[in-house]
Amino acid sequence: KNEVEQSPQNLTAQEGEFITINCSYSVGISALHWLQQHPGGGIVSLFMLSSGKKKHGRLIATINIQEKHSSLHITASHPRDSAVYICAVSRNTGNQFYFGTGTSLTVIP
Amino acid sequence: NAGVTQTPKFRVLKTGQSMTLLCAQDMNHEYMYWYRQDPGMGLRLIHYSVGEGTTAKGEVPDGYNVSRLKKQNFLLGLESAAPSQTSVYFCASRGTRKNIQYFGAGTRLSVL
Repeated sequence: KNEVEQSPQNLTAQEGEFITINCSYSVGISALHWLQQHPGGGIVSLFMLSSGKKKHGRLIATINIQEKHSSLHITASHPRDSAVYICAVSRNTGNQFYFGTGTSLTVIP
Repeated sequence: NAGVTQTPKFRVLKTGQSMTLLCAQDMNHEYMYWYRQDPGMGLRLIHYSVGEGTTAKGEVPDGYNVSRLKKQNFLLGLESAAPSQTSVYFCASRGTRKNIQYFGAGTRLSVL
């Protein structure tokens, strides 16, 4: 069983739609991370959060520590948001990160 | 500011050949990581280092070796490549203050 589970695996949306990607984890964490991977490109960190909510432009990330759940929202989605979004957690102990399998998002014009 | 640089970007090997992937970071980060990414699976940790001269095994270390002789460089070696090592390899680094990993652009390796 993976420590980090994401849903959905694949998501197609029309431009302008509100998008939600979910992440659940089963271990104690020091922080949860949302990452973005563009086709053929590298991986960049979008958010790191340990409680509450963070916003950057049209992206919003929330976390519920008690329920061990996080969501990534994209408002007014755009084709350039098309990418794979990866949830990861860093543990309270050790130096490792644990990654979900990613959500592949396609936004159609 | 280059960040994390991986070389090469692409490589094709024959079974049994050896090669070394180089990761270089210019952010003075203590921690460095090597991951592999395969379809349908999350990033999996191969080896990592918490400082110059140190290395540790991750989740999938078999068939790989690493070295961190200089703080800025982390090398991943394949002594005898196997088709199961066909994958995209990512290097990442992070500092001690901020718990954020910075990734290289990846190396696509095919073993025939």
